[in-house]
Amino acid sequence: NAGVTQTPKFQVLKTGQSMTLQCAQDMNHEYMSWYRQDPGMGLRLIHYSVGAGITDQGEVPNGYNVSRSTTEDFPLRLLSAAPSQTSVYFCASSYSTPGEQYFGPGTRLTVT
Amino acid sequence: AQKVTQAQTEISVVEKEDVTLDCVYETRDTTYYLFWYKQPPSGELVFLIRRNSFDEQNEISGRYSWNFQKSTSSFNFTITASQVVDSAVYFCALSEVPSGAGSYQLTFGKGTKLSVIP
Repeated sequence: NAGVTQTPKFQVLKTGQSMTLQCAQDMNHEYMSWYRQDPGMGLRLIHYSVGAGITDQGEVPNGYNVSRSTTEDFPLRLLSAAPSQTSVYFCASSYSTPGEQYFGPGTRLTVT
Repeated sequence: AQKVTQAQTEISVVEKEDVTLDCVYETRDTTYYLFWYKQPPSGELVFLIRRNSFDEQNEISGRYSWNFQKSTSSFNFTITASQVVDSAVYFCALSEVPSGAGSYQLTFGKGTKLSVIP
């Protein structure tokens, strides 16, 4: 099992550009989520999904969209990148909630 | 609203010393779950433990132990005989039972950076 994979590992965007962070898991987990990690802030939940076709907002959803068309994939879209979105993004999945969450390796995003 | 406070931003200890990482939480629920995660310098997040609010028994796993006290809303983590490999950022997290159609959400503390000096 590859576990939770994220691509890309690093990305630099200009303000206003859009992009999609990819997340996939091969553990057949129903629950998936996206977090951002900023220095001194811990991890904050952006969006989450409890199954294919079902998504909901977390603590900091503004500027991000998600969709869940399959159990395996949970992409995070930045609509119009802003410097405030410079962060490390983690995708996670779990078999159930509130179960152990398996985290991907992270994507380091810089918006200039 | 749920909240997790890790008051210790950074801690340095000399190898083989014991160290305790504090975690204080706030919740209005009687049913909730507490977690600890480790983030080593390589950046990945590693699950360490999950406890539910009805199980106040302390847990020991090798050099790691956890002290859950509902009376003080604390879930502290102790590393005995620390090693350099324990150097990492440690996060405490809380998940409440969702209301209605909501789902469990993890609220993380800001983390404690532990440096173990050889």
